[in-house]
Amino acid sequence: AQSVTQLDSHVSVSEGTPVLLRCNYSSSYSPSLFWYVQHPNKGLQLLLKYTSAATLVKGINGFEAEFKKSETSFHLTKPSAHMSDAAEYFCVVSERLQGGKLIFGQGTELSVKP
Amino acid sequence: GAGVSQSPSNKVTEKGKDVELRCDPISGHTALYWYRQSLGQGLEFLIYFQGNSAPDKSGLPSDRFSAERTGGSVSTLTIQRTQQEDSAVYLCASSFLTASGNEQFFGPGTRLTVL
Repeated sequence: AQSVTQLDSHVSVSEGTPVLLRCNYSSSYSPSLFWYVQHPNKGLQLLLKYTSAATLVKGINGFEAEFKKSETSFHLTKPSAHMSDAAEYFCVVSERLQGGKLIFGQGTELSVKP
Repeated sequence: GAGVSQSPSNKVTEKGKDVELRCDPISGHTALYWYRQSLGQGLEFLIYFQGNSAPDKSGLPSDRFSAERTGGSVSTLTIQRTQQEDSAVYLCASSFLTASGNEQFFGPGTRLTVL
Protein backbone atom coordinates (compact mmCIF):
# COMPACT_ATOMS: atom_id res chain seq x y z
CA ALA A 1 0.00 0.00 0.00
CA GLN A 2 1.15 3.50 -0.68
CA SER A 3 1.77 6.14 1.95
CA VAL A 4 3.32 9.57 2.32
CA THR A 5 5.32 11.06 5.16
CA GLN A 6 5.89 14.78 5.41
CA LEU A 7 8.86 15.17 7.67
CA ASP A 8 7.98 18.59 9.10
CA SER A 9 4.60 19.66 10.42
CA HIS A 10 5.65 23.30 10.44
CA VAL A 11 8.36 25.24 8.59
CA SER A 12 9.14 28.91 9.16
CA VAL A 13 11.30 30.97 6.78
CA SER A 14 12.06 34.63 6.21
CA GLU A 15 10.86 36.37 3.08
CA GLY A 16 13.44 36.06 0.32
CA THR A 17 15.09 32.92 1.73
CA PRO A 18 14.81 29.41 0.25
CA VAL A 19 11.98 27.04 1.05
CA LEU A 20 12.41 23.29 1.54
CA LEU A 21 9.43 21.07 2.40
CA ARG A 22 10.36 17.41 2.77
CA CYS A 23 8.34 14.41 1.66
CA ASN A 24 9.05 10.68 1.57
CA TYR A 25 6.73 8.17 -0.04
CA SER A 26 6.13 4.46 -0.03
CA SER A 27 4.68 2.79 -3.08
CA SER A 28 4.46 -0.72 -4.47
CA TYR A 29 4.38 0.42 -8.08
CA SER A 30 5.48 3.42 -10.07
CA PRO A 31 3.65 6.24 -8.35
CA SER A 32 2.40 9.59 -9.47
CA LEU A 33 3.35 12.27 -6.97
CA PHE A 34 1.83 15.68 -6.39
CA TRP A 35 2.16 18.74 -4.23
CA TYR A 36 -1.05 20.58 -3.40
CA VAL A 37 -1.33 23.90 -1.55
CA GLN A 38 -4.20 25.06 0.64
CA HIS A 39 -4.39 28.73 1.58
CA PRO A 40 -6.50 29.66 4.62
CA ASN A 41 -10.20 29.25 3.86
CA LYS A 42 -9.42 28.37 0.26
CA GLY A 43 -9.63 25.15 -1.72
CA LEU A 44 -6.79 22.81 -2.59
CA GLN A 45 -4.74 23.83 -5.60
CA LEU A 46 -2.27 21.73 -7.55
CA LEU A 47 1.30 23.09 -7.44
CA LEU A 48 3.00 20.42 -9.51
CA LYS A 49 2.97 16.72 -10.38
CA TYR A 50 5.38 13.95 -11.31
CA THR A 51 4.15 11.15 -13.58
CA SER A 52 7.31 9.26 -14.66
CA ALA A 53 8.59 11.83 -17.12
CA ALA A 54 11.35 14.26 -16.09
CA THR A 55 12.45 13.79 -12.49
CA LEU A 56 12.77 17.54 -11.88
CA VAL A 57 9.30 19.00 -12.02
CA LYS A 58 8.52 22.70 -12.23
CA GLY A 59 5.24 24.03 -10.93
CA ILE A 60 3.41 27.27 -10.45
CA ASN A 61 4.68 30.28 -8.49
CA GLY A 62 8.33 29.26 -8.78
CA PHE A 63 8.04 25.95 -6.94
CA GLU A 64 9.77 22.81 -8.08
CA ALA A 65 10.29 19.26 -6.82
CA GLU A 66 12.70 16.47 -7.61
CA PHE A 67 11.69 12.81 -7.72
CA LYS A 68 14.47 10.63 -6.27
CA LYS A 69 13.57 6.97 -6.52
CA SER A 70 16.65 5.77 -4.65
CA GLU A 71 15.70 7.94 -1.68
CA THR A 72 11.91 7.61 -2.15
CA SER A 73 11.72 11.36 -1.77
CA PHE A 74 9.85 14.17 -3.49
CA HIS A 75 10.93 17.34 -1.71
CA LEU A 76 9.41 20.71 -2.63
CA THR A 77 11.66 23.73 -3.03
CA LYS A 78 11.53 27.40 -3.94
CA PRO A 79 14.57 29.68 -4.21
CA SER A 80 12.98 32.73 -2.60
CA ALA A 81 9.91 32.78 -0.36
CA HIS A 82 7.17 35.39 -0.68
CA MET A 83 4.69 36.36 1.99
CA SER A 84 1.93 34.98 -0.22
CA ASP A 85 3.48 31.49 0.01
CA ALA A 86 2.27 31.11 3.61
CA ALA A 87 -0.14 28.18 3.48
CA GLU A 88 -0.52 24.45 4.16
CA TYR A 89 1.27 22.15 1.72
CA PHE A 90 0.36 18.54 1.07
CA CYS A 91 2.50 15.87 -0.54
CA VAL A 92 0.29 13.33 -2.28
CA VAL A 93 0.76 9.93 -3.94
CA SER A 94 -1.42 8.08 -6.40
CA GLU A 95 -0.89 4.64 -7.90
CA ARG A 96 -1.84 2.92 -11.11
CA LEU A 97 -4.86 0.66 -10.86
CA GLN A 98 -6.15 2.58 -7.84
CA GLY A 99 -8.57 4.71 -9.82
CA GLY A 100 -6.55 7.83 -9.27
CA LYS A 101 -7.45 8.15 -5.61
CA LEU A 102 -5.06 10.41 -3.74
CA ILE A 103 -3.25 9.51 -0.54
CA PHE A 104 -2.28 12.65 1.36
CA GLY A 105 0.54 13.36 3.74
CA GLN A 106 -0.26 15.06 7.02
CA GLY A 107 0.63 18.49 5.67
CA THR A 108 3.33 21.07 6.35
CA GLU A 109 2.35 24.54 7.44
CA LEU A 110 4.66 27.13 5.92
CA SER A 111 5.05 30.48 7.68
CA VAL A 112 6.87 33.36 6.02
CA LYS A 113 8.26 36.13 8.20
CA PRO A 114 8.79 39.64 6.83
CA GLY B 1 -15.49 27.94 -16.87
CA ALA B 2 -17.06 26.93 -13.57
CA GLY B 3 -15.09 24.85 -11.14
CA VAL B 4 -16.27 22.18 -8.74
CA SER B 5 -19.07 23.45 -6.54
CA GLN B 6 -20.32 22.04 -3.26
CA SER B 7 -23.36 22.78 -1.16
CA PRO B 8 -24.02 23.71 1.49
CA SER B 9 -20.80 25.47 2.41
CA ASN B 10 -21.59 25.01 6.09
CA LYS B 11 -23.90 22.58 7.83
CA VAL B 12 -24.63 22.40 11.54
CA THR B 13 -26.70 19.47 12.66
CA GLU B 14 -27.66 17.64 15.81
CA LYS B 15 -26.29 14.24 16.66
CA GLY B 16 -28.50 11.52 15.23
CA LYS B 17 -29.81 13.53 12.28
CA ASP B 18 -29.16 12.63 8.64
CA VAL B 19 -27.34 15.03 6.31
CA GLU B 20 -26.84 15.23 2.56
CA LEU B 21 -23.87 16.93 0.97
CA ARG B 22 -23.88 17.80 -2.72
CA CYS B 23 -21.10 18.04 -5.28
CA ASP B 24 -21.29 19.46 -8.79
CA PRO B 25 -18.19 18.43 -10.76
CA ILE B 26 -16.63 20.21 -13.69
CA SER B 27 -18.65 19.54 -16.83
CA GLY B 28 -17.20 16.61 -18.80
CA HIS B 29 -15.24 15.15 -15.91
CA THR B 30 -16.03 11.45 -15.66
CA ALA B 31 -14.25 10.85 -12.35
CA LEU B 32 -15.50 12.20 -9.04
CA TYR B 33 -13.89 11.78 -5.63
CA TRP B 34 -14.94 12.46 -2.05
CA TYR B 35 -12.41 13.20 0.69
CA ARG B 36 -12.68 14.23 4.31
CA GLN B 37 -10.42 16.68 6.13
CA SER B 38 -10.43 16.59 9.90
CA LEU B 39 -8.02 17.71 12.60
CA GLY B 40 -7.29 14.25 13.87
CA GLN B 41 -7.14 12.32 10.61
CA GLY B 42 -5.85 14.82 8.08
CA LEU B 43 -7.09 14.42 4.50
CA GLU B 44 -8.51 10.98 3.77
CA PHE B 45 -10.09 9.35 0.73
CA LEU B 46 -13.70 8.22 1.07
CA ILE B 47 -15.02 7.02 -2.29
CA TYR B 48 -14.68 7.62 -6.01
CA PHE B 49 -16.97 7.35 -9.00
CA GLN B 50 -16.21 6.50 -12.60
CA GLY B 51 -19.36 7.63 -14.32
CA ASN B 52 -22.18 6.49 -12.04
CA SER B 53 -20.31 3.48 -10.68
CA ALA B 54 -18.27 3.44 -7.47
CA PRO B 55 -15.39 0.98 -7.94
CA ASP B 56 -13.75 1.90 -4.65
CA LYS B 57 -15.73 2.62 -1.50
CA SER B 58 -12.95 1.50 0.80
CA GLY B 59 -12.60 4.84 2.55
CA LEU B 60 -16.15 5.14 3.82
CA PRO B 61 -15.75 4.96 7.61
CA SER B 62 -18.97 3.08 8.40
CA ASP B 63 -22.23 1.91 6.88
CA ARG B 64 -23.79 5.19 7.98
CA PHE B 65 -22.00 6.76 5.02
CA SER B 66 -23.22 6.33 1.46
CA ALA B 67 -22.86 8.16 -1.81
CA GLU B 68 -24.42 8.14 -5.21
CA ARG B 69 -23.91 9.82 -8.53
CA THR B 70 -26.56 10.28 -11.16
CA GLY B 71 -26.32 11.16 -14.83
CA GLY B 72 -22.55 11.04 -14.60
CA SER B 73 -22.66 14.44 -12.98
CA VAL B 74 -23.93 15.50 -9.55
CA SER B 75 -23.04 13.40 -6.52
CA THR B 76 -24.50 13.34 -3.04
CA LEU B 77 -22.80 12.05 0.08
CA THR B 78 -25.27 11.01 2.77
CA ILE B 79 -24.43 10.52 6.41
CA GLN B 80 -27.11 8.85 8.49
CA ARG B 81 -27.46 9.17 12.25
CA THR B 82 -24.60 11.66 12.45
CA GLN B 83 -22.08 11.42 15.28
CA GLN B 84 -19.78 14.09 16.67
CA GLU B 85 -16.77 12.36 15.12
CA ASP B 86 -18.31 13.01 11.69
CA SER B 87 -17.52 16.72 12.12
CA ALA B 88 -15.07 17.62 9.36
CA VAL B 89 -14.72 19.38 6.04
CA TYR B 90 -15.96 17.18 3.22
CA LEU B 91 -14.18 17.82 -0.06
CA CYS B 92 -15.21 16.81 -3.53
CA ALA B 93 -12.88 16.64 -6.52
CA SER B 94 -13.29 15.78 -10.16
CA SER B 95 -10.96 14.85 -12.99
CA PHE B 96 -11.23 13.98 -16.62
CA LEU B 97 -10.18 10.36 -16.10
CA THR B 98 -9.38 8.04 -13.24
CA ALA B 99 -5.79 7.55 -14.36
CA SER B 100 -3.30 8.07 -11.56
CA GLY B 101 -1.58 11.02 -13.13
CA ASN B 102 -4.63 13.13 -13.75
CA GLU B 103 -5.04 16.37 -11.87
CA GLN B 104 -8.00 16.48 -9.56
CA PHE B 105 -9.80 19.80 -9.18
CA PHE B 106 -11.17 20.39 -5.73
CA GLY B 107 -14.29 22.16 -4.59
CA PRO B 108 -14.34 24.56 -1.62
CA GLY B 109 -15.74 21.90 0.71
CA THR B 110 -18.68 21.55 3.07
CA ARG B 111 -17.88 22.16 6.74
CA LEU B 112 -20.02 19.79 8.80
CA THR B 113 -20.47 20.38 12.51
CA VAL B 114 -22.33 17.79 14.56
CA LEU B 115 -23.47 19.09 17.93
